[in-house]
Order: sequence, then C-alpha cells, then structure tokens
Amino acid sequence: GESVGLHLPTLSVQEGDNSIINCAYSNSASDYFIWYKQESGKGPQFIIDIRSNMDKRQGQRVTVLLNKTVKHLSLQIAATQPGDSAVYFCADIKTSGSRLTFGEGTQLTVNP
Amino acid sequence: EAQVTQNPRYLITVTGKKLTVTCSQNMNHEYMSWYRQDPGLGLRQIYYSMNVEVTDKGDVPEGYKVSRKEKRNFPLILESPSPNQTSLYFCATGWLAGYNEQFFGPGTRLTVL
Repeated sequence: GESVGLHLPTLSVQEGDNSIINCAYSNSASDYFIWYKQESGKGPQFIIDIRSNMDKRQGQRVTVLLNKTVKHLSLQIAATQPGDSAVYFCADIKTSGSRLTFGEGTQLTVNP
Repeated sequence: EAQVTQNPRYLITVTGKKLTVTCSQNMNHEYMSWYRQDPGLGLRQIYYSMNVEVTDKGDVPEGYKVSRKEKRNFPLILESPSPNQTSLYFCATGWLAGYNEQFFGPGTRLTVL
C-alpha cells in the first residue's frame, strides 16, 4: 500500500555535528513533500518543503534532498543544536489533493 | 497573531459519553483537518474539510464525526467514545490553492476510560 516512512526511529548526534534524517515514500504520484518538527508537548511545526520538480532546497541550516528515482528524501540539519532535539516527520501530498500522509517520525537527540 | 486553537487541551472521560473537541483558526484558511497521533503509528488523518459544508473522510474516520458550518471552526465529535480513541488529537489548517504547509494546533490529549 501507499506509505511514507523513515529509516530510523531514533538518531543521536553531538552538538555541532550535522544530522541527516531519511524518509522513503512509495507513491509515485506524490509531488509535494514537507518536513515537520514536533517538540515535546507541541503540535508539528513546518520546517521546509520541496516540490517534485526539484531535487534540492535549502533553508536556514536545513537542506532537503529529493531523489525521485529511488523515492527517497532526506533532511540535513547543519551544526545541530540542543534546540533541534525533537521528532521529525516527513509528509507527502499526492497530485489529487491536499491530504498529507505522514511518516512515523524520527526522534533526534542532540548531546551537548 | 495567526493561530489554531483547540479546546479542551486535556480531557479524561468515560466510555459512551459524547464529547466535542473544538478547533478554531483565524487565518481564513479553506482547508481544515483532524489527525490523531499514537505511538508507533505517527499522525493519521481522521477527517478533513476543503471549505464550509464540505467534509470528507481521512484514513481513520470510524467513531468520529465533524461539521464545518463556519470557515473558522471545525469541531471533532465523538458520539460514543471508546478506550481505543484514547489518543493525542491535532487540528490543522491550510490554504487550498497550490501546495502549502499546514498549521497545527497545540493538541488535545484525550483519555477514554
């Protein structure tokens, strides 16, 4: 069936290192992808998005890479800080509408 | 300030007692949606609405009802709650035109005994 999933449920990094969080999707009709960050006790918060006609997009300290050939996207966080500790979700929207499908999430822990 | 509000934030209730969780937004968004979040299952969509009086089922609609009588409000109704509806619920809103992010509310933690 259709799904959006992450490779690892947890990721632990040292403060100052770069983090890479991966996500795989199965539906070729997916054409818009979003990364959300969810801090403890809060709702998901938008980080960055990318459309399927792009393979890379950069924001402030974050980069999303999209590989449509293998249906894979990744979120790279540069110089990870303690405030980056959170659960990160990838989500996709299919061509047919506005419905988001979320992956299960990766818990990122930043060690001082 | 642009925001999505949910009430109540926490609720403990008993099986079979009807309840409503409210969601309100002040951003004039057409699209509103309800999700539930459970450990190991991520966020799953319950219902969504493309505009006033237009609602549709998401991935897990059983046991829930919604209504969209006004653009700003999208209440989630549990007519006869059961323990398997114990979960963390999020309301989200967004623009319909093109592809856009969705803005999430702070969540409602519901426990059904």
